[in-house]
Amino acid sequence: DSGVTQTPKHLITATGQRVTLRCSPRSGDLSVYWYQQSLDQGLQFLIQYYNGEERAKGNILERFSAQQFPDLHSELNLSSLELGDSALYFCASSAQGISYGYTFGSGTRLTVV
Amino acid sequence: DAKTTQPPSMDCAEGRAANLPCNHSTISGNEYVYWYRQIHSQGPQYIIHGLKNNETNEMASLIITEDRKSSTLILPHATLRDTAVYYCIVRVEGVGSGTYKYIFGTGTRLKVLA
Repeated sequence: DSGVTQTPKHLITATGQRVTLRCSPRSGDLSVYWYQQSLDQGLQFLIQYYNGEERAKGNILERFSAQQFPDLHSELNLSSLELGDSALYFCASSAQGISYGYTFGSGTRLTVV
Repeated sequence: DAKTTQPPSMDCAEGRAANLPCNHSTISGNEYVYWYRQIHSQGPQYIIHGLKNNETNEMASLIITEDRKSSTLILPHATLRDTAVYYCIVRVEGVGSGTYKYIFGTGTRLKVLA
């Protein structure tokens, strides 16, 4: 157990639907990061939150949004889902400071049918 | 953002040292080099990181060249369980406190052979 909890582990939904992925960071970590990994592809950085504020944005589609709540958990909302959104979605957290690494969760596998 | 370049794949005999190279020729002075690995579809696992000195922990050693343009991750005695994709990443500090991001490349797929 890495200390980063992602739910659900698996999600199957239809095209056009909306889903919410949840991430609880490791205790004490203020930063949360979301990554997308499509089949046999690398990890694509989506977005970062730090203590409730959006701090960095990557290749995140307009149909996707995220937020970090006062208790520091984060949610990634995916709407108008397309087949190509099927992927593993990872959340990671880190402590403050450039010398701290990320701790990744075990991911949510999203399948859009 | 600094970018990294790694060979797409490598093989290593079980029990031998695995040396995984990484080029980061555009690295800046305050950018750390991080190594992670991903086994199957699990979440990436932190291995080691460094700025300019060589580093060692219970998992691996990290050798960074003096000009910091390249580094090598060394797994001293590779086992079958070390078969994974290894990512070399440069972490960049952005604007404002707590603003960072990792840009993952395609990594090196290491296969440890029995």
